[in-house]
Amino acid sequence: DAGVIQSPRHEVTEMGQEVTLRCKPISGHDYLFWYRQTMMRGLELLIYFNNNVPIDDSGMPEDRFSAKMPNASFSTLKIQPSEPRDSAVYFCASSPPGQSTDTQYFGPGTRLTVL
Amino acid sequence: RKEVEQDPGPFNVPEGATVAFNCTYSNSASQSFFWYRQDCRKEPKLLMSVYSSGNEDGRFTAQLNRASQYISLLIRDSKLSDSATYLCVVNEDTGRRALTFGSGTRLQVQP
Repeated sequence: DAGVIQSPRHEVTEMGQEVTLRCKPISGHDYLFWYRQTMMRGLELLIYFNNNVPIDDSGMPEDRFSAKMPNASFSTLKIQPSEPRDSAVYFCASSPPGQSTDTQYFGPGTRLTVL
Repeated sequence: RKEVEQDPGPFNVPEGATVAFNCTYSNSASQSFFWYRQDCRKEPKLLMSVYSSGNEDGRFTAQLNRASQYISLLIRDSKLSDSATYLCVVNEDTGRRALTFGSGTRLQVQP
């Protein structure tokens, strides 16, 4: 079975450009999470969705960041305009339904460099 | 104060050694606990859940002490392939499904 799929795997862009990261969760999973990982701050939750609806976006750093989930098999995280401090690895994760199952399955990540 | 605190390491141990990692969490209402493993430049992967009664999976043993808000991971007979960063993870409210990750403890097993 395919795991969580993220694209692109690497992105290098210049400050001020728009960046769009994409994620396809595991089929049948109804929770989707976006994380950011840096050396300084570790792994931080940005936002998560349940059944395509944003549940908690308190981790989104500022208005430059936005996330959407138009259907159960696709989500995007957009940064506009990008800044050098946004450089990080962005992970998408998904989780299956059920109260007792909160294990999260991570995608391979997108390594973003903003020059 | 961080919600989940870990010793960053690195822990450098020889093959075959037993090594233990500790983690403390600040929210006494936390519900679920996990250890994730992250290899260099890879994504985190679930290693094991941590139950109140303690649980074992092969060479790995996890313990939870709710009174002290403390979680541990013991690795016996360590292998070179155990070299990775081990992340202590807490779910403070299962209704929210949001996990809080520690910054990780790096383990390097040497031949």
